[in-house]
Amino acid sequence: GENVEQHPSTLSVQEGDSAVIKCTYSDSASNYFPWYKQELGKGPQLIIDIRSNVGEKKDQRIAVTLNKTAKHFSLHITETQPEDSAVYFCAASIEAAGNKLTFGGGTRVLVKP
Amino acid sequence: NAGVTQTPKFRVLKTGQSMTLLCAQDMNHEYMYWYRQDPGMGLRLIHYSVGEGTTAKGEVPDGYNVSRLKKQNFLLGLESAAPSQTSVYFCASSSGLAGVRTGELFFGEGSRLTVL
Repeated sequence: GENVEQHPSTLSVQEGDSAVIKCTYSDSASNYFPWYKQELGKGPQLIIDIRSNVGEKKDQRIAVTLNKTAKHFSLHITETQPEDSAVYFCAASIEAAGNKLTFGGGTRVLVKP
Repeated sequence: NAGVTQTPKFRVLKTGQSMTLLCAQDMNHEYMYWYRQDPGMGLRLIHYSVGEGTTAKGEVPDGYNVSRLKKQNFLLGLESAAPSQTSVYFCASSSGLAGVRTGELFFGEGSRLTVL
C-alpha cells in the first residue's frame, strides 16, 4: 500500500518568514495530494490540494508543488503569521478508489511573533 | 449546518470493555471514514464506507468493527478494548459523487478514548 513520509516533524519560524514542509510517497498510482491543517482540539481541515496533472498550485500565501517523477510534493507558506501555527498533514490517494487518504506523520509549525 | 458530529467526545474504558463511537454527517455524503490519530504517526485509516450498507477495511482494522446502516451514520465499535486502542478517533466524510472531482474530507472534532 501507499506510504507517505513527511519532514520535518517540527518547524519553528519567525513571523514573516517562509515555511516549507516536504513529503514523499511510494505508490506511483497516487494522483491526488491534499494538505490539511489541524488546530488544537479540532479535526483536520483541507487548505489546498493538487492533482497529478499539474506541477504547482497557489492560493494566496500558500503554494504546493508536485514532482511526480521523484514522487515528492511540498507545501510552501510565505509571510507566515501567528495564526499559521498548527499541525500540518500531507496525504496521498488514488482519487477514484474510494478516496482513501494515506497521511504523513504531521509537522507541528510554530510561528514566533 | 453541523457537518460531521462525533459522540462521545471523551471516554475512559477498562481493558476488555466494549463501546461504540457514533459519527453523523448532514451533508448527504456517500463516503465515510474512521481514522485514529497517534503522536508522530499521522492519521491511520481504520475502516471506511463508500455507501449505505457497505464497509471495507483500512490500514489498521484489527480490533474494530463498523456498520453503516443509514447513509448519514457510521458507527465504530470496539468489542474488547485494549490499551493499544488509546487514541484520538476521527470520523470524516466526503462527497464521492461520480464525475465530481472533489476529494475533500470533512472531519469531525475527534473522540478521545483512553483504555486503562
